[in-house]
Amino acid sequence: EDKVVQSPLSLVVHEGDTVTLNCSYEVTNFRSLLWYKQEKKAPTFLFMLTSSGIEKKSGRLSSILDKKELFSILNITATQTGDSAVYLCAVLMNRDDKIIFGKGTRLHILP
Amino acid sequence: DSGVTQTPKHLITATGQRVTLRCSPRSGDLSVYWYQQSLDQGLQFLIQYYNGEERAKGNILERFSAQQFPDLHSELNLSSLELGDSALYFCASSPAGTSTRLQFFGPGTRLTVL
Repeated sequence: EDKVVQSPLSLVVHEGDTVTLNCSYEVTNFRSLLWYKQEKKAPTFLFMLTSSGIEKKSGRLSSILDKKELFSILNITATQTGDSAVYLCAVLMNRDDKIIFGKGTRLHILP
Repeated sequence: DSGVTQTPKHLITATGQRVTLRCSPRSGDLSVYWYQQSLDQGLQFLIQYYNGEERAKGNILERFSAQQFPDLHSELNLSSLELGDSALYFCASSPAGTSTRLQFFGPGTRLTVL
């Protein structure tokens, strides 16, 4: 059965800390891995990763994919209260265009 | 604002009823995806349409159906509603002609089944 597992489920840190969110997957026909940030409403796209070992970076956020070990990490440095959200990882399948989401990591940044 | 619109914002109905959720994709996007998000199941992919035709199917129940119209808006029909169908239903659209399948999510419709 295809699955995407995120850890931790929940994380509370102080502003300024660095956090690492994990996403592991077991799927057939992997195409890409995506990260989303979900605050109060709709998820917003962060990164799409298709190739192993190439870091994607956007400001204080970065992500990398390891296709051999079947996982990805999302790093957030110098966290701010505005980073508080649920971070979703999803895997897009190659053959049938299905997409599977993990259950998310709830990140709370304390001021 | 992603450019994807969904109506209604909230919907409260009784078990056994049928509802229709509506989604308008971003201008120019040909693909529409439907998702269900509940507290215990997380975000679940239901179905995708591309330019009016069903493209991919996920965990969509037989009681649910969807379609995409010539103007590219899409409707998700939920029938014989059960308490467990209460959830947030998202629609997303993706740009035409891209291989990245970058998806833009609408604000969602919150369905409550009493």
